[in-house]
Amino acid sequence: EARLVESGGRLVRPGGSLRLSCAASGFTFNNFTLNWIRQAPGKGLEWVSSITGSGKYTYYIDSVKGRFTISRDNAKNSLYLQLSSLRAEDTGVYYCASLAYDYVSGTNRYYGPDVWGQGTTVIVSS
Amino acid sequence: EIVLTQSPGTLSLSPGERATLSCRASQSVITTFFAWYQQKPGQTPRLLIYGASRRATGIPDRFTGSGSGTDFTLTISRLEPEDYGVYYCQQYGSAPYTFGQGTKLEIK
Repeated sequence: EARLVESGGRLVRPGGSLRLSCAASGFTFNNFTLNWIRQAPGKGLEWVSSITGSGKYTYYIDSVKGRFTISRDNAKNSLYLQLSSLRAEDTGVYYCASLAYDYVSGTNRYYGPDVWGQGTTVIVSS
Repeated sequence: EIVLTQSPGTLSLSPGERATLSCRASQSVITTFFAWYQQKPGQTPRLLIYGASRRATGIPDRFTGSGSGTDFTLTISRLEPEDYGVYYCQQYGSAPYTFGQGTKLEIK
C-alpha cells in the first residue's frame, strides 16, 4: 500500500525556520512528482510547492518563493520542505501528496498515484 | 496563474436529491490534470474524480465528473447522508497549481 507520512511540524516564532519531512513507502518513489499542500485553520486547500521525480524541477506558489525550499532524497524515499522567514499566514496543516493522473502518449502509459499523508501542523506565533 | 472559481459556495440538499457543483477556470485547463476532492472536518482530502471524469478507486458511481476547457462539473446523482463536506476542484497541469475555494455541501 502506498503511504506518505509527514513529520516536523511544531510551534515556531515569526521569522523562524523549520524543516518538514515526508517519508514514502509502497510505491516507486523516484518515479513521481510530489507536492506540498497546506490548509490554514478553517480555510481551503492551497498548493505550496512541487518537485519532479528526479528533483530537477521545482515549483512554488509566489507567496513562498525565496522563503521555502522543496527537496527530495530518492535514496531515502523522502521529501522535504525547508521553511524560513516564517509568517503567521504560514500557519496550517501541511500535507505531502502525489496527485493522480493516467494517460497514454504514443505507446507509453503514464500513471501517477493519488497518495496523501495525514498532515503535519505548523503554527507560527510569538 | 489559473484561478478556479467554484459555485455555489454552499449547497443544502436532502438525501436522494441531485447535487451539481461547478468549477470555472480563468483559462483553459489540461483535462488530464483536473480533479475533484471531498474533505470532511478533521480529515485528509479524498480524491473523487481525476482526469476531469475518471472516478477514483472505490468512489460510488453516483459521483460523475464532466467538462473541459474552462468549465467543469461534479454531479452527485442521489445524495446520501455521508456525502456532506467541502468539495474542492484542482488543476495541476500548469504551475502554480491551484484549488478552487470550495463548495460546502450540507445534507438536510
